[in-house]
Amino acid sequence: SQTIHQWPATLVQPVGSPLSLECTVEGTSNPNLYWYRQAAGRGLQLLFYSVGIGQISSEVPQNLSASRPQDRQFILSSKKLLLSDSGFYLCAWAADGETQYFGPGTRLLVL
Amino acid sequence: DQQVKQNSPSLSVQEGRISILNCDYTNSMFDYFLWYKKYPAEGPTFLISISSIKDKNEDGRFTVFLNKSAKHLSLHIVPSQPGDSAVYFCAASAQGFGNEKLTFGTGTRLTIIP
Repeated sequence: SQTIHQWPATLVQPVGSPLSLECTVEGTSNPNLYWYRQAAGRGLQLLFYSVGIGQISSEVPQNLSASRPQDRQFILSSKKLLLSDSGFYLCAWAADGETQYFGPGTRLLVL
Repeated sequence: DQQVKQNSPSLSVQEGRISILNCDYTNSMFDYFLWYKKYPAEGPTFLISISSIKDKNEDGRFTVFLNKSAKHLSLHIVPSQPGDSAVYFCAASAQGFGNEKLTFGTGTRLTIIP
């Protein structure tokens, strides 16, 4: 069966510090991968998606970037965090043409 | 522009009764719809989906209804149980089977009263 991992579960970072969140998927190959953010009291906003290694599509202009160095690894990064980057970050995967399945999420608090 | 709307931020239902969660969309290109359930500090869990070629899909206690002419879908949970208390998100895709992008609503918090 397929599983998706995210770490860390919780992160508190000062403004201006860098960020690296990691997501890995097991039990499948060549998945579509996604990064979402859920800000407090809001829905899920798609940030990035990837249909293959090195292929990243950005949905909204922002302070964040994404990379996919390996088939089942998706990384969300920032060089300098802003207060507005606080939120709950979710990684998801989907087999081609199938439903998206989410990881456990990372809660980021920027102070 | 919110293309998927869940106009009720919260809903309370007695245990054993029916819970009905509603979702409206504006993009007529959407052809695949999903419901997710989310507990605090966890990722959303897929519940049920429906494609635009159907108007109803049932899975156990969960049934999703789609009214394409009204651009409206609903999730029925019957009977409601305490473990159903969570935030429910509807989502939609315009690319067949949610292959690339899902657009989510803002969620409805369902509370089941024992």
